Amino acid sequence: GQQVQQSPTSLVLQEGENAELQCNFSTSLNSMQWFYQRPGGSLISVFYNPSGTKQSGRLTSTTVIKERRSSLHISSSQITDSGTYLCAMEPYNQGKLIFGQGTKLSIKP
Amino acid sequence: EAAVTQSPRSKVAVTGGKVTLSCHQTNNHDYMYWYRQDTGHGLRLIHYSYVADSTEKGDIPDGYKASRPSQENFSLILELASLSQTAVYFCASRTGLGGRNYAEQFFGPGTRLTVL
Repeated sequence: GQQVQQSPTSLVLQEGENAELQCNFSTSLNSMQWFYQRPGGSLISVFYNPSGTKQSGRLTSTTVIKERRSSLHISSSQITDSGTYLCAMEPYNQGKLIFGQGTKLSIKP
Repeated sequence: EAAVTQSPRSKVAVTGGKVTLSCHQTNNHDYMYWYRQDTGHGLRLIHYSYVADSTEKGDIPDGYKASRPSQENFSLILELASLSQTAVYFCASRTGLGGRNYAEQFFGPGTRLTVL
């Protein structure tokens, strides 16, 4: 079946280091979204990025359709970046999202 | 900014009881979705709808019903709540029209359901 694989499952960094989160998918897509979630919190949309590269402040998302992967790069990480990052893709012509299991990011002082 | 609201925000239910979760969107979106999230996991699709008065089964529909009485409202119904349905439930919407970000989904704040 259609799958979305995120890596790593968890990541611990020192404040100031860069984080690279990966999302791989097994089928053609209509869209790719990245979300941020704090424990017990709601989903905060970080990027809607079906293809190419988008940047927002310290965050950059790159989706390469041919390679069936998307990445989220966080530069100069801060303690407040800690939380879980979820990627979700909408397979071509299906109108629904399939989520990855998430990457839990912990930034230490 | 897209607006999706959910009620209640949290609920405690008894096993075997009926639970109704409500979702309301003011975005004039055609598509609406119900997902569940279990602790430490991603979201899974329960039911969705393309148009009022019609619903579709998602990936994990067993034990759930859905109702879309209008474009703005989408409900998730647990006729006989069970312990395994303890989870956080998220509603989402997206436009069915074309455009640059046509497939972007907008999520509500979630409903935390505990079944005892």
